[in-house]
Amino acid sequence: GEEVAQTPKHLVRGEGQKAKLYCAPIKGHSYVFWYQQVLKNEFKFLISFQNENVFDETGMPKERFSAKCLPNSPCSLEIQATKLEDSAVYFCASSHPKLAGGYNEQFFGPGTRLTVL
Amino acid sequence: DAKTTQPPSMDCAEGRAANLPCNHSTISGNEYVYWYRQIHSQGPQYIIHGLKNNETNEMASLIITEDRKSSTLILPHATLRDTAVYYCIVRKNQGGKLIFGQGTELSVKP
Repeated sequence: GEEVAQTPKHLVRGEGQKAKLYCAPIKGHSYVFWYQQVLKNEFKFLISFQNENVFDETGMPKERFSAKCLPNSPCSLEIQATKLEDSAVYFCASSHPKLAGGYNEQFFGPGTRLTVL
Repeated sequence: DAKTTQPPSMDCAEGRAANLPCNHSTISGNEYVYWYRQIHSQGPQYIIHGLKNNETNEMASLIITEDRKSSTLILPHATLRDTAVYYCIVRKNQGGKLIFGQGTELSVKP
C-alpha cells in the first residue's frame, strides 16, 4: 500500500497480559522501524529491520519485548507480561533503501495506543 | 548522532512566517539536518532535510548557517493546520533510527 498501516488502533491489556502490535510497511520499503512514545514529545527508538533481518536493536528492552518481520506478513511487535509503564503509543515507520537524492525519509503509521491497566 | 536544542514552544499568527530555530553545535561533517513534525497525536511527518546548502520544498525552507552549528525551519505562510510539534534531528544519511529531542510546540493563532 501507499501508507504504513498499523493495527490495532487501540489495545487495552491487563498487567501481565501479552500485547501484539502489527505494522504493514509501504510496498517496496525494505526498512521498518518501531518507536515508542510514552509522553508527549518523548520518542524512543526500539528496533529496526532490513527486510526480515534485525538492523538495529539497541533500543529494545532485553526482557519482554520481541519483534519480527517475516516475508509476506505484517511486521509485529510483541510485549510479554505487560507492565503499566508499557502504556504508550507505538509507531511504526518504513523507508525505501535509496530514494532520489540518496536520503531515507521515514514514513510513519498512525500508531497503536497501548493502555495497560 | 549530534544532539539538538530547540525552544519548547512558539506562537505564530496565521498567515505570517514561522521561524523555528535549532542548535546543533556538535554536528559533524557527514551529518544532515532533518525536520519532522507531529500534528496532534498522528505519526511524525517528514518536512525537509539539508546538509549545508539552504533547501526549499513545497512545505518549508531550511536555512543552515555557514558553520552548520544551527539552522532555521521557515514556514512562509503559517496556517492553523501547521500547529504541531516540530522536531529537528541530526543524523548521518545512510538510513537508521531517528533520535527525537523535545521539539518545539508551534501554535498558530488566528
